[in-house]
Amino acid sequence: DMKVTQMPRYLIKRMGENVLLECGQDMSHETMYWYRQDPGLGLQLIYISYDVDSNSEGDIPKGYRVSRKKREHFSLILDSAKTNQTSVYFCARGSGQLYFGEGSKLTVL
Amino acid sequence: GDSVTQTEGQVTVSESKSLIINCTYSTTSIAYPNLFWYVRYPGEGLQLLLKVITAGQKGSSRGFEATYNKETTSFHLQKASVQESDSAVYYCALETGGYKVVFGSGTRLLVSP
Repeated sequence: DMKVTQMPRYLIKRMGENVLLECGQDMSHETMYWYRQDPGLGLQLIYISYDVDSNSEGDIPKGYRVSRKKREHFSLILDSAKTNQTSVYFCARGSGQLYFGEGSKLTVL
Repeated sequence: GDSVTQTEGQVTVSESKSLIINCTYSTTSIAYPNLFWYVRYPGEGLQLLLKVITAGQKGSSRGFEATYNKETTSFHLQKASVQESDSAVYYCALETGGYKVVFGSGTRLLVSP
């Protein structure tokens, strides 16, 4: 199966609170991604993970960090969320062809 | 850095008419990138439509075609006759070394009956 599962699907936080977005995949695929999507901007790459504890910054890593302790799980962490981090976040797995989760809509008030 | 440009935010086409969605790319990689079109249908997740990994080659799927043109650094999406069910948002993307995948801003296609 190619399933990518994101939790939570919807989240409302206040500015300054911490945020944890979780992503799971059932194929133990090596490469995983976190993107954010804002209206008119398409998907912007935040981080890539090549394997456990092997992560690389994407194009917009500032304000985010990631954790991958098991191959099946890749977490996106916002320490002290900001209002401009309100967005829809997508996790993906794969190489050559990406399989996406359904997205996590984060609102920071 | 690498980038993908889609100039049209929205395209409206009448059913059975032809379609072209423009995509150009830029990369600092010395190797030719892999090129993709992804699509998001209403209420569905983002999924691969087609991909081409060799410059000069054409990819096709569901009646759509795209040719990898390294001279013009373009990868335009075309269809000879669109249907209402083709209404969706289409994203052009490139993959460079290190599995980095960069997306364009997307083009919303509206097919009118």
